[in-house]
Amino acid sequence: EVQLMETGGGLVQPGGSLRLSCAASGFTFSNYWMRWVRQAPGKGLEWVANIKEDGSEKYYVDSVRGRITISRDNAENSLYLQMNSLRVEDTAVYYCARDSGYETYDYWGQGTLVTVSS
Amino acid sequence: QSALTQPHSVSGSPGQSVAISCTGTSNDVGRYNYVSWYQQHPGKAPKLMIYDVTKRPSGVPDRFSGSKSGNTASLTISGLQAEDEADYYCSSFAGGFGGGTKLTVL
Repeated sequence: EVQLMETGGGLVQPGGSLRLSCAASGFTFSNYWMRWVRQAPGKGLEWVANIKEDGSEKYYVDSVRGRITISRDNAENSLYLQMNSLRVEDTAVYYCARDSGYETYDYWGQGTLVTVSS
Repeated sequence: QSALTQPHSVSGSPGQSVAISCTGTSNDVGRYNYVSWYQQHPGKAPKLMIYDVTKRPSGVPDRFSGSKSGNTASLTISGLQAEDEADYYCSSFAGGFGGGTKLTVL
């Protein structure tokens, strides 16, 4: 059974940092692109970043580029999102999702809430 | 602002059929047969319901179907049931997500 479990969310002040983790199980993690998607309170889904199977390619939405870094550890079956210089507008539930190809998100984690507030 | 346009809300009575549209451009929905649809209940993670425009993952009822014409894709839910009440999002290769549609079962 494919499972994705995010951890690391919480309350952080503007300008602060947070590192999200996503533990994957039930599939060969190193065979898939992985993505982070966020959802601000009461809003829709927004793709944040994605990473190639071997970590050699990474892409970001413009609003986070330079502040947020996606990475993965295939030996640990884990996906990460290092978030720096956080802004109030980064407040959202962050989901990790498996990309089965052509931006099809076939499995999602339960999400972790990041709140940026003073 | 989302790249793909969906109606804000749709509604239907139990047993009826409803369709949710997703309009993109000739650079995303119109060019690729990689449109997917997601169902999200309040407080829950999204769930894949349709992929590659018309395909259903294992376990998704055949009441859910997808189609595409030109730059517009559609999700049709037939035989509406109370548990279908949720938010629905489309996504297209190179197009991102739609803004979401709230389905109300009357």
